[in-house]
Amino acid sequence: NAGVMQNPRHLVRRRGQEARLRCSPVKGHSHVYWYRQLPEEGLKFMVYLQKENIIDESGMPKERFSAEFPKEGPSILRIQQVVRGDSAAYFCASSPASLRGYGYTFGSGTRLTVV
Amino acid sequence: TQLLEQSPQFLSIQEGENLTVYCNSSSVFSSLQWYRQEPGEGPVLLVTVVTGGEVKKLKRLTFQFGDARKDSSLHITAAQPGDTGLYLCAGAQGGSQGNLIFGKGTKLSVKP
Repeated sequence: NAGVMQNPRHLVRRRGQEARLRCSPVKGHSHVYWYRQLPEEGLKFMVYLQKENIIDESGMPKERFSAEFPKEGPSILRIQQVVRGDSAAYFCASSPASLRGYGYTFGSGTRLTVV
Repeated sequence: TQLLEQSPQFLSIQEGENLTVYCNSSSVFSSLQWYRQEPGEGPVLLVTVVTGGEVKKLKRLTFQFGDARKDSSLHITAAQPGDTGLYLCAGAQGGSQGNLIFGKGTKLSVKP
C-alpha cells in the first residue's frame, strides 16, 4: 500500500444525483480527514474521522453531506442531491494516531463535476 | 476565523536564483506544515515545524517557524525547474488537531 487511495479520480454527476467518494487510508493509519479544494481557493477542512467515529465535522455543510469510516472498508464521503457549487476537488488524508496534527498523507483527490 | 496568508501568490524565477515565500497569521498554531502540490495531484508533506524559532533544512529548502508560532518562511537556494509547483502552508489548531488551516499557496515557476 503505497499511500492514500482515492476513487474515482474523476466523477461527473447531474444536478440532483448522489456522489460517493471513496478513500482507503495508508495501511495502519486509523485517522482520516476530508478536505475540499475549490478553484483558486485553499484547501478547506470538512471532516475528521476515526474508525466508526466522527471526531470533528465542523467543516461539513449541515445538509446533503455525510461521511463515514466503517470498521471494515474505505471511508466514504457522500453528497446527496448535488448542485453545481459542489464541483470541486475532494482530497482525503490519513495519519496514524500519534501524528495527528503533525503531517498527513494525502491522496490524489476526486474531481467532482456537476453538470 | 483563523487565516493563513501566503505571499507572494505567484513567483516566476530563473534556474539558480534564491527565493523566500512567507506564511503569516495573527493566530498561534501548535504546529505548522509545508506541502507541495503538483497539478492534478494531492499535497505532499515537506516538513512540520513545532517549536517557536525552529529551523529545518531539507536539501536546498530551509523552513523557519517564527518565535511566536504565528508565521513561517520557506527559503529555496539555487532553485531548479523541478521545484516548480504550488507551495502550501497549513497550521494545526488545538482541540481535535484534525482541522488544518491552509493558506492559498504560492505558485512557483522556475524557468531553465
